[in-house]
Amino acid sequence: EAQVTQNPRYLITVTGKKLTVTCSQNMNHEYMSWYRQDPGLGLRQIYYSMNVEVTDKGDVPEGYKVSRKEKRNFPLILESPSPNQTSLYFCASSPRGGTGVGTGELFFGEGSRLTVL
Amino acid sequence: GNSVTQMEGPVTLSEEAFLTINCTYTATGYPSLFWYVQYPGEGLQLLLKATKADDKGSNKGFEATYRKETTSFHLEKGSVQVSDSAVYFCALSDRGQGAQKLVFGQGTRLTINP
Repeated sequence: EAQVTQNPRYLITVTGKKLTVTCSQNMNHEYMSWYRQDPGLGLRQIYYSMNVEVTDKGDVPEGYKVSRKEKRNFPLILESPSPNQTSLYFCASSPRGGTGVGTGELFFGEGSRLTVL
Repeated sequence: GNSVTQMEGPVTLSEEAFLTINCTYTATGYPSLFWYVQYPGEGLQLLLKATKADDKGSNKGFEATYRKETTSFHLEKGSVQVSDSAVYFCALSDRGQGAQKLVFGQGTRLTINP
């Protein structure tokens, strides 16, 4: 089954304790991205990756890191989490991240709800 | 820059009612337009899309028409069901910038009562 898998789905942690949210897709997609969803703010992009070893900042990258060593994986790293990073996080992938008609069709994971105390 | 504005929710309707969720956009280029749906406890999934003016996207009884003259992409369904309860997001992708610059509206929560 084609899917984007995130882990963990739920996590409660404390300020400053490094954590990683994993994301893996089995569709051989080039493009992957991380979003956070907060009430009243919709979805905001954190980082994205056009392909292996190619990553770039989205709209709210502060406090996050990513890596893209393999095509299928795109982990989100919080080196020193803070309470303002409490949010619902989504990983997404797409067959094409480049320009052109119709790009923007994303496949989302089920989300990871993170609480930082 | 590009932006998407959705009607504020939440929206509550009775089963079999007619649904409209308004979406308007601002874009500097030639956007593709999308509606995504998020069912409780799940990630977003693409509901429908339109890539040029006057295109109509449709899926699962939902429709939306790309109106360049009014910069709108309103979502409609003739007869909603309880299973349509979800959060709906309008989104815009500028073909010159691609998926990495996909812009979402704030989402509209829809609740359908039996």
